[in-house]
Amino acid sequence: AQRVTQPEKLLSVFKGAPVELKCNYSYSGSPELFWYVQYSRQRLQLLLRHISRESIKGFTADLNKGETSFHLKKPFAQEEDSAMYYCALEAPGGSYIPTFGRGTSLIVHP
Amino acid sequence: GAGVSQSPRYKVAKRGQDVALRCDPISGHVSLFWYQQALGQGPEFLTYFQNEAQLDKSGLPSDRFFAERPEGSVSTLKIQRTQQEDSAVYLCASSPRDPDLGNIQYFGAGTRLSVL
Repeated sequence: AQRVTQPEKLLSVFKGAPVELKCNYSYSGSPELFWYVQYSRQRLQLLLRHISRESIKGFTADLNKGETSFHLKKPFAQEEDSAMYYCALEAPGGSYIPTFGRGTSLIVHP
Repeated sequence: GAGVSQSPRYKVAKRGQDVALRCDPISGHVSLFWYQQALGQGPEFLTYFQNEAQLDKSGLPSDRFFAERPEGSVSTLKIQRTQQEDSAVYLCASSPRDPDLGNIQYFGAGTRLSVL
């Protein structure tokens, strides 16, 4: 069975500090991985996905198959990055049903 | 264009009441998903439609939960004889299932159900 673990419920940093939101997964094959974000009073939306290998709003995430991780990183946090972040896994070739982690609340202090 | 629309945004029900939650997906999106999100948790999969076909309903917690998408567009999630443990935010998402856009999910704002 596939599983996504986000070990931190809350991450609190100061503006300008580096940020790393952890995501570990359990899946026997090669999964598709996503980060979704939910800003205050907004709906859940895609931030980035690993197959795109892109940087969005300064965030990047690298899939590490050896460590089964997909941590989200940003070198210099901004106050507007404060939000809930969810890591999600999909089994490729299937019905595209994602498994979500429980989420990490990022708070960036001024 | 308009995003995924869900109604009502908030619903208060007395225990034992039936409720119906509506989802209007993005026009042309083939796939539609329903999720249940309890407080402090991530979205938990309930059921999945491809057009009008319900391809997976393995996440529905009991036979009190029923979903339909009769014309392959609007979907309704119905909960019969609501219980307190049904209190949660119910999220709907649609996806184009396009070779280029792939399986990106576009979420609605959710319906917050409170069962008293």
